[in-house]
Amino acid sequence: AQKITQTQPGMFVQEKEAVTLDCTYDTSDPSYGLFWYKQPSSGEMIFLIYQGSYDQQNATEGRYSLNFQKARKSANLVISASQLGDSAMYFCAMREGPRNQFYFGTGTSLTVIP
Amino acid sequence: DAGITQSPRHKVTETGTPVTLRCHQTENHRYMYWYRQDPGHGLRLIHYSYGVKDTDKGEVSDGYSVSRSKTEDFLLTLESATSSQTSVYFCAISEENGNIQYFGAGTRLSVL
Repeated sequence: AQKITQTQPGMFVQEKEAVTLDCTYDTSDPSYGLFWYKQPSSGEMIFLIYQGSYDQQNATEGRYSLNFQKARKSANLVISASQLGDSAMYFCAMREGPRNQFYFGTGTSLTVIP
Repeated sequence: DAGITQSPRHKVTETGTPVTLRCHQTENHRYMYWYRQDPGHGLRLIHYSYGVKDTDKGEVSDGYSVSRSKTEDFLLTLESATSSQTSVYFCAISEENGNIQYFGAGTRLSVL
């Protein structure tokens, strides 16, 4: 079974609108972490946001928020007020296990339309 | 920016030749990782290290070996490169609690 599933290969959003990128995960470990990364066309991996499995509140970082629904095992990324510079690949990832092993999804390509 | 340096940044080699990629960190983090990125697959973990001389396999470890003799360096070796190993390779480091993972700039490897 896939550890991380991103079902949206590509998404489009109008500039200044909000967009939600979906991510579901699979783990039996009670302690885990969930991450979102952005990869622009230049290729670097940029950390966006982190949510721990025991965190009670959804994580937020500026225009990014992580909608954490533990029972559904989902960790969707919400980007508010989209900007042209948000056009990129977005990867969801999970960290689990005593040796901090990481798993990544296949990514969602987001295009922001002017 | 986290102090992670990957070398070389680009490499073209021939099938059957050995290749070693280097990841160097200045953050003194315990955990280091090697990933490969291919279209349609996202990032897949090759090997990772949880300390000096302590390494473990990831999900796509066949054909790769690693070594970590110092905290700051994590080497990835392709003993006999194949065309299927043409990819972009990323090194990453993680803090002890695993709450963040920083990536290097990547190495683009072409095996002809």
